[in-house]
Amino acid sequence: SSELTQDPAVSVALGQTVRITCQGDSLRSYYASWYQQKPGQAPVLVIYGKNNRPSGIPDRFSGSSSGNTASLTITGAQAEDEADYYCNSRDSSGNPLFGGGTKLTVL
Amino acid sequence: QLQLQESGPGLVKPSETLSLTCTVSGGSISSSSYYWGWIRQPPGKGLEWIGSIYYSGSTYYNPSLKSRVTISVDTSKNQFSLKLSSVTAADTAVYYCARHPSERDHDFDYWGQGTLVTVSS
Repeated sequence: SSELTQDPAVSVALGQTVRITCQGDSLRSYYASWYQQKPGQAPVLVIYGKNNRPSGIPDRFSGSSSGNTASLTITGAQAEDEADYYCNSRDSSGNPLFGGGTKLTVL
Repeated sequence: QLQLQESGPGLVKPSETLSLTCTVSGGSISSSSYYWGWIRQPPGKGLEWIGSIYYSGSTYYNPSLKSRVTISVDTSKNQFSLKLSSVTAADTAVYYCARHPSERDHDFDYWGQGTLVTVSS
């Protein structure tokens, strides 16, 4: 199917580890990229490829994949990590496709 | 540092054509193998890819919007543009321009700040 499914909301206690997941058939063949979006701001790429971080992204962000599920893990979540997170991969035609987004709350 | 900046009318009437331009600074739109894309986000909702263009003019579009979308490039001005015809209220969104490495690689690494376009009479 041409969908990427994310949990609408996830919460984590300050300093703890949280995993945000993205499910879709295309993830069996292609890596997902992950974007962080804070209110009123443009998305920021945080993970791409197998597990690559653009310059300036803290190493507490990591990515992984298994079967039809891609995951973004934040190890030691900080208050500034509270944001919406979107995964991105492909649809059945190879075009870009975004997941519905996950709102992360840091408690 | 590469920068992208969207510009265009913030208000468009129903049935008319939405037109936006993305100006690229800090690098040449035609000096590398990158593609340049448009992505939109309706208020309170998720991201939707609209289409992408290479500096040569090669384009590909989201099939759900393809009949109404035209993306073009002006390398002399280091700009690329979006036209979306026959707009309705459902096209109200923040429109972003962004860069990605290739037609097969859709890691959007640089984004504009976004511009809100409202469709209303």
